Amino acid sequence: EPEVTQTPSHQVTQMGQEVILRCVPISNHLYFYWYRQILGQKVEFLVSFYNNEISEKSEIFDDQFSVERPDGSNFTLKIRSTKLEDSAMYFCASTLRERYEQYFGPGTRLTVT
Amino acid sequence: DAKTTQPNSMESNEEEPVHLPCNHSTISGTDYIHWYRQLPSQGPEYVIHGLTSNVNNRMASLAIAEDRKSSTLILHRATLRDAAVYYCILRRNNNDMRFGAGTRLTVKP
Repeated sequence: EPEVTQTPSHQVTQMGQEVILRCVPISNHLYFYWYRQILGQKVEFLVSFYNNEISEKSEIFDDQFSVERPDGSNFTLKIRSTKLEDSAMYFCASTLRERYEQYFGPGTRLTVT
Repeated sequence: DAKTTQPNSMESNEEEPVHLPCNHSTISGTDYIHWYRQLPSQGPEYVIHGLTSNVNNRMASLAIAEDRKSSTLILHRATLRDAAVYYCILRRNNNDMRFGAGTRLTVKP
């Protein structure tokens, strides 16, 4: 069964550094998402992406964040200058059609020290 | 977005049915009811969704009240692998999903 994959599984970075989290969505999917989950808290929507542009974003997704689909397979989340409070699990998801079920990856644990 | 209310936690015995309730009294006519679950240390996983009629799939059943103000996710025979946080989410025209705190299901052997 096709699945969403994410790399790395764990990323440790120092405050102020840039990080790029990578995702490979399911190949025929058209809509892509990033969510995050701070330890012990709920899953929070960050951004949705369709047709090479952001379709929706939450208040969390500020100027420090950006997303890109650099080729036909990868979908990336960049955090320009990480802060301690960016430490969280970051989940990528994809879906074939808008409002259909979303398929989530296993997540990347980001630790900012 | 319309809000959902779920119990914080529930317990079940292995091999027994589990009924997970969700209240959504402010649901609108175009809101779909989605259920996801999150197993420990994993990403959320789609379970089932419906609009008005009850729905069945290989994982679960979804019973939707006639007035649509509540719904129940039914796991017919709980296994230890079903221990997870279950989220009831209403989706309208927006493409994103807003997760609540969900119900933490514990399955006892």
